[in-house]
Amino acid sequence: QQQVKQSPQSLIVQKGGIPIINCAYENTAFDYFPWYQQFPGKGPALLIAIRPDVSEKKEGRFTISFNKSAKQFSLHIMDSQPGDSATYFCAALPMYNTDKLIFGTGTRLQVFP
Amino acid sequence: GAGVSQSPRYKVAKRGQDVALRCDPISGHVSLFWYQQALGQGPEFLTYFQNEAQLDKSGLPSDRFFAERPEGSVSTLKIQRTQQEDSAVYLCASSLATGNEAFFGQGTRLTVV
Repeated sequence: QQQVKQSPQSLIVQKGGIPIINCAYENTAFDYFPWYQQFPGKGPALLIAIRPDVSEKKEGRFTISFNKSAKQFSLHIMDSQPGDSATYFCAALPMYNTDKLIFGTGTRLQVFP
Repeated sequence: GAGVSQSPRYKVAKRGQDVALRCDPISGHVSLFWYQQALGQGPEFLTYFQNEAQLDKSGLPSDRFFAERPEGSVSTLKIQRTQQEDSAVYLCASSLATGNEAFFGQGTRLTVV
């Protein structure tokens, strides 16, 4: 079963727009939520991560918003650029099994000039 | 080396053939992970090593899949009697220790014909 649900499947924005990618989870044992960026032919690379004791984290143009009660978290990309065009994956790590990242299905983002 | 290195980058196997995929983790990284990424999907956990010990192999889809890391560095994922459903990108990742950021290699794209 899908432990981490991600939407939308794909997203197209103009340069400067703010794409938002959403993820939801059921398992309350998850306690670490990273986002990965993957370019074609490359492996995923860690972008930003959050733990459930904070509601927001910003790193440069990337922001994670976290809603613990709703079991949802989202990635916002400010002032998006064509170079941000990639596939983005949310993930979750359970506190009882810290070796097993559970990934969402991915969102393909295209940023047009 | 500078990053996680995987070889070969591409492998075409005839159905029923055995294949071996290699992963060179970042030097000094204790933890090593294998993931399988089907087309258009997020990576799915296969197995985890801490040094030479395989601590979790719960994600291996069948007994045709076997992984080893005999000296706690290089790892090999072996798939026996390949089937078409084994076609995917196989990603290796390593981290300094459990719970630290995992760095992914570029993956090996396996196509079974």
